Amino acid sequence: GQSLEQPSEVTAVEGAIVQINCTYQTSGFYGLSWYQQHDGGAPTFLSYNALDGLEETGRFSSFLSRSDSYGYLLLQELQMKDSASYFCAPSAGYQKVTFGTGTKLQVIP
Amino acid sequence: DTGVSQDPRHKITKRGQNVTFRCDPISEHNRLYWYRQTLGQGPEFLTYFQNEAQLEKSRLLSDRFSAERPKGSFSTLEIQRTEQGDSAMYLCASSLSNATNEKLFFGSGTQLSVL
Repeated sequence: GQSLEQPSEVTAVEGAIVQINCTYQTSGFYGLSWYQQHDGGAPTFLSYNALDGLEETGRFSSFLSRSDSYGYLLLQELQMKDSASYFCAPSAGYQKVTFGTGTKLQVIP
Repeated sequence: DTGVSQDPRHKITKRGQNVTFRCDPISEHNRLYWYRQTLGQGPEFLTYFQNEAQLEKSRLLSDRFSAERPKGSFSTLEIQRTEQGDSAMYLCASSLSNATNEKLFFGSGTQLSVL
């Protein structure tokens, strides 16, 4: 089976940094993906970590610790358009991709 | 390639009617997923295909739901005898399955309203 845990809501100020945590339990773990979904839109892929450490893509970075079954998404220089829901999704080889309830990020002026 | 496309974008139906949705994945993608999403929730897994083979169907899914991917290209999701609880966004996603990284590309979804 698989379980995922993320905070349900996070609020942060424009221009600040926010970290969205994800703890997971899954068999046959390969890596952790992150997706962004704006209200009314479809999820879009943000990042993937297969190895421990930090992966940086512009203002977004994602971190993975396999030994702790833990990862996070770091958003820097927050912009209003970053207000969205963020989902972590473990990859487990050829098994299906499943999502938790996600974290709703609200960026305030 | 224009990405994953779903049809229709919106569907309003009366309780008890059957509905069918279509998904056209990215052409070279061999894996296709169906998810259902309601307000404030994450995408809930329904079923997925590897080429034309249906690999898994959610145990939470009633027998009223069926999906096909006849030639390993487009897929259809049918809901028979719709109920008000079926009202949701139905999302399709495709991917090029890879043992180490599976990146899903989503369509815009079909919003179903059952009256």
